[in-house]
Amino acid sequence: DGGITQSPKYLFRKEGQNVTLSCEQNLNHDAMYWYRQDPGQGLRLIYYSQIVNDFQKGDIAEGYSVSREKKESFPLTVTSAQKNPTAFYLCASSIETGTPYEQYFGPGTRLTVT
Amino acid sequence: GQNIDQPTEMTATEGAIVQINCTYQTSGFNGLFWYQQHAGEAPTFLSYNVLDGLEEKGRFSSFLSRSKGYSYLLLKELQMKDSASYLCAVLDSNYQLIWGAGTKLIIKP
Repeated sequence: DGGITQSPKYLFRKEGQNVTLSCEQNLNHDAMYWYRQDPGQGLRLIYYSQIVNDFQKGDIAEGYSVSREKKESFPLTVTSAQKNPTAFYLCASSIETGTPYEQYFGPGTRLTVT
Repeated sequence: GQNIDQPTEMTATEGAIVQINCTYQTSGFNGLFWYQQHAGEAPTFLSYNVLDGLEEKGRFSSFLSRSKGYSYLLLKELQMKDSASYLCAVLDSNYQLIWGAGTKLIIKP
């Protein structure tokens, strides 16, 4: 079955530590995305990638970094520079960017930083 | 600025019909999506509208009026499993998705 996996589902970290969230897809999609979801707010785009070894900042990229070394994988690192990192993080993919194709989402990672 | 408005929360009764509205003001328009999201889970695609009118898909229908910047999602014969958040998202002129905050739908027996 094709889909998107994110791990872990829950993650706890101390303030000042970097943490990397995993996202893997086997849908053969070119485009991948990272969103942050906070209560009472819409999904906000952190980074997106249209192709391997290329990615662009979204609306709230500060304090985050990504890599796209393989088509299947798009890990997100939440750095200590992110002022308010506690949130629900969603990874998504689509056939390509710049089109009306739907996005497929992973199950999400809930990150808590104390 | 770009803005999408949806009611924060709605309550309906099992077996009834509910309409969830979405109004938008965006820089350009290349279509509108509705997604369903159960608590703590991933959003899943429900519908995509780019032309005016009603699209029916089983118990769910989605309507779009581009001139009014308005869409609604209609859910018929409500079931308890329909309790979820419903997210409206618009594809703007740059083909970026702009998301509403979502409408939490509570179904009562």
